[in-house]
Amino acid sequence: GESVGLHLPTLSVQEGDNSIINCAYSNSASDYFIWYKQESGKGPQFIIDIRSNMDKRQGQRVTVLLNKTVKHLSLQIAATQPGDSAVYFCAENLGTSGTYKYIFGTGTRLKVLA
Amino acid sequence: DAEITQSPRHKITETGRQVTLACHQTWNHNNMFWYRQDLGHGLRLIHYSYGVQDTNKGEVSDGYSVSRSNTEDLPLTLESAASSQTSVYFCASSESPSGYEQYFGPGTRLTVT
Repeated sequence: GESVGLHLPTLSVQEGDNSIINCAYSNSASDYFIWYKQESGKGPQFIIDIRSNMDKRQGQRVTVLLNKTVKHLSLQIAATQPGDSAVYFCAENLGTSGTYKYIFGTGTRLKVLA
Repeated sequence: DAEITQSPRHKITETGRQVTLACHQTWNHNNMFWYRQDLGHGLRLIHYSYGVQDTNKGEVSDGYSVSRSNTEDLPLTLESAASSQTSVYFCASSESPSGYEQYFGPGTRLTVT
């Protein structure tokens, strides 16, 4: 397929359990963050975003937590399902408002065990 | 339904050849982007466009060019393909010029031999 990441860190989770995927970002001036899901053979898909003036944001079965003190972002997936198996990566906007400047992480592979 | 498509999905070419990768979106988005994705790297921006006749260089633009003659298409051209350009290429579009909520195409796997 068109996805890369044969040597990515892998998180294996039992179906029904919660998953936590972590991301360390690089720039303290970053003001906007996105989590993407990339299934094998497909392009990245937007999951959830968060701005730097928030610590937490919830979506459907997903929650993003932002800790600006240690420049850490996490994605929590509740009741993980087989369809959640994919590579997940974060992106940070470098705070240059109105311009297109992102740094993308390399990702974590989530494997859901039946 | 609106979508973004890329063609071809797979391409093998020889060093030195010119190659063009197509990207077509029906979202009617002004903003379009080309990335490459390689092992050990996150997505890296090659070129982007904020509208017809507008093109801008990204962080890894050397050896690539784009043109924007209409809203729907942003073809990516490798002027003289090199083995270092073997990669998976993704096109994306967004309503926002800042790239918020981008919609990505399925990707093109390019191999330069």
